Amino acid sequence: AQSVSQHNHHVILSEAASLELGCNYSYGGTVNLFWYVQYPGQHLQLLLKYFSGDPLVKGIKGFEAEFIKSKFSFNLRKPSVQWSDTAEYFCAVNARNTDKLIFGTGTRLQVFP
Amino acid sequence: DADVTQTPRNRITKTGKRIMLECSQTKGHDRMYWYRQDPGLGLRLIYYSFDVKDINKGEISDGYSVSRQAQAKFSLSLESAIPNQTALYFCATSDLRDSWEQFFGPGTRLTVL
Repeated sequence: AQSVSQHNHHVILSEAASLELGCNYSYGGTVNLFWYVQYPGQHLQLLLKYFSGDPLVKGIKGFEAEFIKSKFSFNLRKPSVQWSDTAEYFCAVNARNTDKLIFGTGTRLQVFP
Repeated sequence: DADVTQTPRNRITKTGKRIMLECSQTKGHDRMYWYRQDPGLGLRLIYYSFDVKDINKGEISDGYSVSRQAQAKFSLSLESAIPNQTALYFCATSDLRDSWEQFFGPGTRLTVL
């Protein structure tokens, strides 16, 4: 069965610090990969996605993620976080032969001024 | 106007009551989903529907039922609510035209006393 692991459950950073959130999945076939963000009290919004091509994907608000197939990873990065990045971040994966998304358990990011 | 709407946004009910959560979408998407979100567990799929005549169980369908009344409407019912169904419930839609990206509604916060 497919699964998604987000090892960082709670991350606390100061503004301007760099961010990297880990995401690993277990599935041997071709996958589509997503990062969603949930700001406090709001619904999930797509940050970025990878389907094929360049494994370095750029998303909204300065976020990027790198797909490393050999490591089954899709880590999210941002060089300099802002207080407004405080949110919960979810990695999600679906196998190409299905369109069910499997979500990780989420990482809560708190950024302090 | 929001593309995916959910009603009600908040609901408090008692054990044993029947509850219906409704989802409507204006995106014209064929596929619709119901998830529940619990702290530390991420999002888990309850039911999904690929079109009006197609209903499928997700990973945690026990205690829930759904109805796809039209392409734009997908309702989730709790026949006899219990306290461990207290959670945040999200509806989502997807379609090939949007590369199967899932678009989420604002969520319904359900509390079962």
